[in-house]
Amino acid sequence: QQPVQSPQAVILREGEDAVINCSSSKALYSVHWYRQKHGEAPVFLMILLKGGEQKGHDKISASFNEKKQQSSLYLTASQLSYSGTYFCGTEWMNTGFQKLVFGTGTRLLVSP
Amino acid sequence: EPEVTQTPSHQVTQMGQEVILRCVPISNHLYFYWYRQILGQKVEFLVSFYNNEISEKSEIFDDQFSVERPDGSNFTLKIRSTKLEDSAMYFCASSESGRAGGNSPLHFGNGTRLTVT
Repeated sequence: QQPVQSPQAVILREGEDAVINCSSSKALYSVHWYRQKHGEAPVFLMILLKGGEQKGHDKISASFNEKKQQSSLYLTASQLSYSGTYFCGTEWMNTGFQKLVFGTGTRLLVSP
Repeated sequence: EPEVTQTPSHQVTQMGQEVILRCVPISNHLYFYWYRQILGQKVEFLVSFYNNEISEKSEIFDDQFSVERPDGSNFTLKIRSTKLEDSAMYFCASSESGRAGGNSPLHFGNGTRLTVT
């Protein structure tokens, strides 16, 4: 059972903000965020562990709400280089210690 | 920066044939993974491997698939009796520590595009 991401696609103008959500039906231990550009491998962005933390990476940050079993990725002042497909990967409590399951992906297109 | 390398980058095979996809994980990493991505779709977990054993596998990873670490550096995925629906990009990944990371991200190779005709 995979995490559900929303929205499926986002189109932004350079400089605009976006939020991508990732929800799980199972209790989460951690959430990973990756970005994949067309024809390339997924590239790691950040990991959030249970505890409701928020992390930042340049103008990209994320939060993890353990109670709601969801994570959100925040992209502020988007740049052209942010274009790609964003995947959350979830690791569940009590199962699958070496099993990172990815969501359906959110396609982001940033235009000039 | 160390990276995961995969060979070949593209493999074409006929239905029913066996293929072996090869990966060299990052040298100090202990956990290895195979994922596949059908064109335009999500990245699907196949299997994880640690200490010469499978740690986790998905329902996709049936008897048609096997993994091996034949020596200290290579990690292989064998697909027997390939079917048309096996056509996909296959990614190898490795991580330094367990819990699929936990604190340790997955580093992906550039993938092998498998085309079954």
